Formats: sequence, C-alpha cells, structure tokens
Amino acid sequence: NAGVTQTPKFQVLKTGQSMTLQCAQDMNHNSMYWYRQDPGMGLRLIYYSASEGTTDKGEVPNGYNVSRLNKREFSLRLESAAPSQTSVYFCASSEVSGRYEQYFGPGTRLTVT
Amino acid sequence: DAKTTQPPSMDCAEGRAANLPCNHSTISGNEYVYWYRQIHSQGPQYIIHGLKNNETNEMASLIITEDRKSSTLILPHATLRDTAVYYCIVSSTGNQFYFGTGTSLTVIP
Repeated sequence: NAGVTQTPKFQVLKTGQSMTLQCAQDMNHNSMYWYRQDPGMGLRLIYYSASEGTTDKGEVPNGYNVSRLNKREFSLRLESAAPSQTSVYFCASSEVSGRYEQYFGPGTRLTVT
Repeated sequence: DAKTTQPPSMDCAEGRAANLPCNHSTISGNEYVYWYRQIHSQGPQYIIHGLKNNETNEMASLIITEDRKSSTLILPHATLRDTAVYYCIVSSTGNQFYFGTGTSLTVIP
C-alpha cells in the first residue's frame, strides 16, 4: 500500500494564479483532511471530509476550496494564490471520522511569490 | 476542544526513557488525548491515544492523571530516530485537531 500520496511535491506560483493540490489514499478510509503548516508552527486544519460526499470547514478555510472526488481522492484548490498561502500542505485520512488515528501524506511545499 | 500546553523543547540521553508532559486542564469528559510526532518536515505520525486509562503500544506509553488535567507520553528507550516534534492534542471528535507548536525532543548520543 502506498498510503496517502500527494501531488505535486513542490510548487511555485505567482500571486493570483490558481492551482489544485491532489491527494489520494488507498486504505479505504472514509475521512480525509487538509492541513497547512507554516514555518515554526503546528498544523492547522483547512477542510475535512468525514465521508464521501461531505465536506466541512476547519480552522483556516478562507481562500481555499475542496472537492471529495470519490472515496479515494480529496483535492484542495487555491483559486487566486496569495503570498500568505505560502506553506506546506498535508493531506491525511482516517478510517472513520472520530476517534481513529490519522495517516498523513508527505506534504506539498508551496511558495507564492 | 480543549487546548494543550507543552514545553517547547526537551533533551533525552539515548537509551533512557523520554517523558514528555502535556497540560490540558480544561479537558472535558468526552475528549480524548492524542499524541503525534513529526520527524523533520515529514507528515505527522500517530503514536497513541487514550481517554482516562493508561495506554501502551509498541511505540510508547500514555499516562493520564486521575483528574485528566495532564498526561505524559513515555518513550521507554529513546533512540536517535525519536528526535522529533511531539504534539499533544485533545479532541472529542477526532476531526478537528489543534496541533499547537508541540515539544521538540532531541535525543543525545
């Protein structure tokens, strides 16, 4: 099993450009999550999907949209990138929404100039 | 969800037990305590979680005080590979995790 995979690994955008970060998991998990981590900080939840067909806002959702394409895939879109969105983005999944461990992907390092 | 307080950094000699404290004085009855760690800039890795009883798995032990206002993660025989940032999180749903800045553990040879 590959676990949680994320593409791309690195990305540089200019202010105002758009892009989609892709995440896929092969563990048949129901719940998926997107976090961001700024330098020297802990992770902050952007959006999560408790099950296929549902999405909910986390702590810092502004400037982002998400799509739960199917059970395996959960994408994060930046419609108009801003320098404040420079961060490392982590995707995670868990078997069921609730008291289950989350498995994290390797991260996408995004720089917005 | 309740917030947690952790020391920003700790050192531990290789082979000794590493005891990482966490304060969660406002924890409510239905909130679990979770521990994750992050090595370098990799994705966080789940370690252990518990409600009120002490828990042990192949990686670590979790000791929760009787009043549940604090807990300690114990790595019984720390190795250099345990050098990481350790996050203590409390959550009732397991969905909305607030990671904070964690404790940076350095295992010294």
